[in-house]
Amino acid sequence: DTEVTQTPKHLVMGMTNKKSLKCEQHMGHRAMYWYKQKAKKPPELMFVYSYEKLSINESVPSRFSPECPNSSLLNLHLHALQPEDSALYLCASSQDVGVTYEQYFGPGTRLTVT
Amino acid sequence: GQNIDQPTEMTATEGAIVQINCTYQTSGFNGLFWYQQHAGEAPTFLSYNVLDGLEEKGRFSSFLSRSKGYSYLLLKELQMKDSASYLCAVREGRGGGNKLTFGTGTQLKVEL
Repeated sequence: DTEVTQTPKHLVMGMTNKKSLKCEQHMGHRAMYWYKQKAKKPPELMFVYSYEKLSINESVPSRFSPECPNSSLLNLHLHALQPEDSALYLCASSQDVGVTYEQYFGPGTRLTVT
Repeated sequence: GQNIDQPTEMTATEGAIVQINCTYQTSGFNGLFWYQQHAGEAPTFLSYNVLDGLEEKGRFSSFLSRSKGYSYLLLKELQMKDSASYLCAVREGRGGGNKLTFGTGTQLKVEL
């Protein structure tokens, strides 16, 4: 199984809503990542988890709150988002962070904030 | 910080060869990746270089010159399905995470 899954595929939420994005992998990878991708732009790193601990936060606003309940799951909790937060949110995983393993990306959640 | 440059768009003919260039400026370089991304889909890994030279994988090859801050992706025997965005990504050798910074991507269109 070399798949990273993400749910939901699409999400529309108002600025006062609270929602969560979910990501799962069963490859035994110990590093997981959240990226944000706007249309016709490259993915931008948001968070890195290594062995279930947050290791990198790229100065992301607190309205985005990541969580890694276990080594296979990664969540992104959303609260009080702005319309400019509308984007494709990609989850990725890699075997480890200490050496340069390729990252496997999920299909993404397309988020629209109204 | 990092600065990664790629051409925005390229067009090539089915069956031909195309070379997509990437230049970068970074502190703490620790590897360069190429990813392919079809519209509306996730990026998929193509190749990785950390030492100077050429890495070949079937129809795809990638070259790296660390002294020049330069890489290219070579696609041979182009097929229509190769029409996609090609992303150059540089790994920063930073403790605590495998941090990739992506270039803006090169949109490749393969024509008959």
